[in-house]
Amino acid sequence: DVKVTQSSRYLVKRTGEKVFLECVQDMDHENMFWYRQDPGLGLRLIYFSYDVKMKEKGDIPEGYSVSREKKERFSLILESASTNQTSMYLCASSSPGGRRAFFGQGTRLTVV
Amino acid sequence: TQLLEQSPQFLSIQEGENLTVYCNSSSVFSSLQWYRQEPGEGPVLLVTVVTGGEVKKLKRLTFQFGDARKDSSLHITAAQPGDTGLYLCAGDRGSNYKLTFGKGTLLTVNP
Repeated sequence: DVKVTQSSRYLVKRTGEKVFLECVQDMDHENMFWYRQDPGLGLRLIYFSYDVKMKEKGDIPEGYSVSREKKERFSLILESASTNQTSMYLCASSSPGGRRAFFGQGTRLTVV
Repeated sequence: TQLLEQSPQFLSIQEGENLTVYCNSSSVFSSLQWYRQEPGEGPVLLVTVVTGGEVKKLKRLTFQFGDARKDSSLHITAAQPGDTGLYLCAGDRGSNYKLTFGKGTLLTVNP
């Protein structure tokens, strides 16, 4: 079965820390995405990548960066965590055409 | 500006009732997808509709794509507690990889 795996279900970090969220997919998908999900705001796209070493900003990239060194792995980096980055982070992948996205189980990040 | 508006935002019903949730936009989409998300988990795809006017059925769930490909609806017949969850619609505008999500409808089905 298809699988997108996020490295942590829950994380608690301190303000100012550098935070790495890892995502791995086993479907050989070209496209990978990072979203954050907040009550009342829905899913908002942070960054996406359509090929290795390629990345594009989504709707809310400020305060984040990404890395895609291998096709199966897409990392989200919070350069200096802040309390307003407390959220549920969701990774997804899709094949070209993007009409079926597979999501990981999510990482609930709390920044204190 | 929210490209996809979902309504209602919240819905609480009794087991056995029927319900419809809506996903509307002023923009045309190449396809619309419906996902269900359970608490603490990632969204899971239920269906993709591609052709204007298309109707797809998944057991007790019926999905319809509007003729103009700007809106969609999800109808659940005889809802069960297992249907409880956040229902999200998402559209692609032919960009090859980027989806736009609505904010979702949170459905609670009470036994």
